[in-house]
Amino acid sequence: QKEVEQDPGPLSVPEGAIVSLNCTYSNSAFQYFMWYRQYSRKGPELLMYTYSSGNKEDGRFTAQVDKSSKYISLFIRDSQPSDSATYLCAMSGGVIYNQGGKLIFGQGTELSVKP
Amino acid sequence: EAQVTQNPRYLITVTGKKLTVTCSQNMNHEYMSWYRQDPGLGLRQIYYSMNVEVTDKGDVPEGYKVSRKEKRNFPLILESPSPNQTSLYFCASSPRGRQDYEQYFGPGTRLTVT
Repeated sequence: QKEVEQDPGPLSVPEGAIVSLNCTYSNSAFQYFMWYRQYSRKGPELLMYTYSSGNKEDGRFTAQVDKSSKYISLFIRDSQPSDSATYLCAMSGGVIYNQGGKLIFGQGTELSVKP
Repeated sequence: EAQVTQNPRYLITVTGKKLTVTCSQNMNHEYMSWYRQDPGLGLRQIYYSMNVEVTDKGDVPEGYKVSRKEKRNFPLILESPSPNQTSLYFCASSPRGRQDYEQYFGPGTRLTVT
């Protein structure tokens, strides 16, 4: 069983839709939860991160972490064609676990927003 | 412009021919790391470096070497490449103490070993 599971999609939605992306994980030691966006032929770029449980909002993007269920989500409101990319969830144990900045990534979900 | 650069971006080589992929960052970051990205497996860490002359293995270090002689550079060395090292490689860097949640990635190097 992989430590982090993410539905690879692809996911296709019309412009303006609300998008929900999800990951589940098995390692209860994870403390930091991140979402990266990767455009075609580019490196991943950090969208947002959350420490421990709770919600975080940044413009049209909202990240949620439920540690009791080992489940994280990214919501995109009013989706735009420019949001079309692969979205990667990533997790880490944090400095107290001395894992050397090792991020554990999900497989990525490919999102296409149609005009 | 603050960035992580990698060279070459694309490389086709043959089994056993030593190669080096360079990585450089201009953000004065202490932490640097190498990942490989494979379909169905996501990104996996190969090696990382907490600072100059300090390196350590990640999850998939076999067949790779690294060195960190300068803060800005972190080359990845494949001494005897094999076809199972065909992959997309990313270098990443991070400021001190933030490597667990804030890593900046380079554009990637697509390597094919025949």
